[in-house]
Amino acid sequence: NAGVMQNPRHLVRRRGQEARLRCSPMKGHSHVYWYRQLPEEGLKFMVYLQKENIIDESGMPKERFSAEFPKEGPSILRIQQVVRGDSAAYFCASSIGAGRQETQYFGPGTRLLVL
Amino acid sequence: AQSVTQLDSQVPVFEEAPVELRCNYSSSVSVYLFWYVQYPNQGLQLLLKYLSGSTLVKGINGFEAEFNKSQTSFHLRKPSVHISDTAEYFCAVSDHSNQGGKLIFGQGTELSVKP
Repeated sequence: NAGVMQNPRHLVRRRGQEARLRCSPMKGHSHVYWYRQLPEEGLKFMVYLQKENIIDESGMPKERFSAEFPKEGPSILRIQQVVRGDSAAYFCASSIGAGRQETQYFGPGTRLLVL
Repeated sequence: AQSVTQLDSQVPVFEEAPVELRCNYSSSVSVYLFWYVQYPNQGLQLLLKYLSGSTLVKGINGFEAEFNKSQTSFHLRKPSVHISDTAEYFCAVSDHSNQGGKLIFGQGTELSVKP
C-alpha cells in the first residue's frame, strides 16, 4: 500500500508566480490535511478537506492561498503570486476517518523556494 | 486555546545513553497526544500516540511516553539511543475545537546522537 504521495518534492518559483502542490492520500483515505513548516519552526495547520469539501480552513492565509480535493484526483494546494515569505516545506497528511484519535499519515513534503 | 511546548530545542546525547524529550501541553478538556519523528528531508512518521487507558504508551523503535495529567506532560523516553535516532521529534495534540483532527505541534526537539 503506497503511502501519501506529494509532488513535486522541490519547487522553485519567482516572486509573483503561482505554485501548485499536489497530494495523493493513502488508498482508502478520504481526509486530507495540509500543514506548513517554516524554517526553524514546527508544523502549522492550514486546511482540512474531505472529498469535494473544505471542512476547516482556519489556518489558511486570507489571500492568495486556496485548496481543493476533487472527487477524482489529488488534493491541490495553490498559492498565487508567491512571495519570499511563502518559502517553506508544505506537508500533506491523510487519515481514514475524521475523528481526533485518527492517525494522520504524512507525505514527504514539497519544499517551496521563492526567489 | 490548546498549545504544546517542547522545552528543549536541541538534545545532544551519546550513543547507548538514555534520553528524555520533554513535552507539555495546555488543554482544559480531554486530550489525544502524539509523538512524530522527522528524518532529514522526509515527512513525519508516527512514533506513538495516547488516546486513553494506560498512561505508559509504547511505540516503535524502542520509544515510550508517559501521559501525566496532573503535570500536563507527555515526555518521550528511550533507554538506549542509537546513531540512527538522530532526527527531529515533534509532540502534538489533537485539537478539539473544530471538526476533524487537526494537530497542534510543538516547536520540535532536535536529537543528536554522537558516537
